[in-house]
Amino acid sequence: DAGVTQTPRHEVAEKGQTIILKCEPVSGHNDLFWYRQTKIQGLELLSYFRSKSLMEDGGAFKDRFKAEMLNSSFSTLKIQPTEPKDSAVYLCASRLGEVTGQLYFGEGSKLTVL
Amino acid sequence: QQKVQQSPESLTVSEGAMASLNCTFSDRSSDNFRWYRQHSGKGLEVLVSIFSDGEKEEGSFTAHLNRASLHVFLHIREPQPSDSALYLCAVNRATGGNNKLTFGQGTVLSVIP
Repeated sequence: DAGVTQTPRHEVAEKGQTIILKCEPVSGHNDLFWYRQTKIQGLELLSYFRSKSLMEDGGAFKDRFKAEMLNSSFSTLKIQPTEPKDSAVYLCASRLGEVTGQLYFGEGSKLTVL
Repeated sequence: QQKVQQSPESLTVSEGAMASLNCTFSDRSSDNFRWYRQHSGKGLEVLVSIFSDGEKEEGSFTAHLNRASLHVFLHIREPQPSDSALYLCAVNRATGGNNKLTFGQGTVLSVIP
């Protein structure tokens, strides 16, 4: 059974570019989360989907960050335009659906913005 | 708003010595606690989940929850160098909560042979 798959694993972008990160959740999972991880801030929630519906969009990340879930097995996170401060690891996680269920994480996409 | 803090920021122990990590949270109604481990360049793997006061053991990992004091601890018995990683505490209020998992900043554990 495949876990959470994220691509690309590494991305280098120039300031102002648009980048798209991809995530395939565990098959059958209804909840999907995008997190940003930095040494200073730790893990910050960007978006949360339940059954493809956006439940939370991470407040402070609204303006340049857009997560979408076009079908139950695929999600994207678009950052447009990128800024150097967006350099971080972006983690995708999925959960079966019950609120007490554990999250399964992908290995992350490391973004470097020059 | 839930605040989760972990201490120490980093911890070095010798192989085989007990390692103890601390996590404090602010929402006394929290009822869903997990410890995750993250090796460098990898995703998070769950180690132990605990939902009520007391202890929960999973292999060499024991979580100890005391909601009255707003603490959840992780004890690692006989750690090995392969246990060197970032350890993250995650807290949620599943009942009547907003379903949002809040993470601590993490403790970097180094286990030296």
